[in-house]
Amino acid sequence: EPEVTQTPSHQVTQMGQEVILRCVPISNHLYFYWYRQILGQKVEFLVSFYNNEISEKSEIFDDQFSVERPDGSNFTLKIRSTKLEDSAMYFCASSPTSRVSNQPQHFGDGTRLSIL
Amino acid sequence: GDSVTQMEGPVTLSEEACLTINCTYTATGYPSLFWYVQYPGEGLQLLLKATKADDKGSNKGFEATYRKETTSFHLEKGSVQVSDSAVYFCALRRSGGSNYKLTFGKGTLLTVNP
Repeated sequence: EPEVTQTPSHQVTQMGQEVILRCVPISNHLYFYWYRQILGQKVEFLVSFYNNEISEKSEIFDDQFSVERPDGSNFTLKIRSTKLEDSAMYFCASSPTSRVSNQPQHFGDGTRLSIL
Repeated sequence: GDSVTQMEGPVTLSEEACLTINCTYTATGYPSLFWYVQYPGEGLQLLLKATKADDKGSNKGFEATYRKETTSFHLEKGSVQVSDSAVYFCALRRSGGSNYKLTFGKGTLLTVNP
C-alpha cells in the first residue's frame, strides 16, 4: 500500500538555525498538509497546500514557516529561524482530493524536531 | 470554532476487557468524524470513519457510531488485545467550503496488559 514518507525521522538543530523537513506524499494525491504535535499535547493543523499554493493556514503558521513543492514529488516545510518552542513531532499528510470532506488524510511517521 | 473533546487518559485495561473511549465534538454543519491510532514510534493511521448521522464506522474490532443528537463518536471494542496498546485520537473534518483540515482531540493513551 502506498504511503507518505518523511525524512529525517529525527532532526536536532541549534536555536536560530533554519531547518527543512521533507515529505513525499502519495503519488496521485493532490492535497498536502503539515501538522505538529508538541510532546503530550494534541495534534495541531499548520497548513494545507493545493495546486502549488497554500489553501489554509493556522495562526501557528507565521512568517517563520514556509512550504514548497519544489519538484512535483517532495513537499517541504521550512522553519527559518527555529525557536525552542518549535520542538515537536511534525507530521505530513496527503489526501487524493479535498473537495469531499470524508476523504481520509494519510499520514507519515513524522519527523521529531528537537531545538537546542 | 471546531473542537473535539476526548476522554482523559491514560486508560489501562487487561486483555479481553471492554473498551470505551468517549469523544464529543463541536462544529457547525455536518462534519465527518474519524478515529486515528498512533502505535509507539509510528505515525497516525486511520482506524475508522463516519460521514453522516447514525453511520457506524468499524475496523479491527473497533466501532464508533456518529450520534448527531449527542454530538458524540465514542470508540468501542468488546475485547481488547495487548497489540491495541496505542494512543487514540478522535478528529473531525468540516464539510463544505475550504476547511479541509482535521481538528484533533488530545488523544487517549491505552495500555493493555496481558
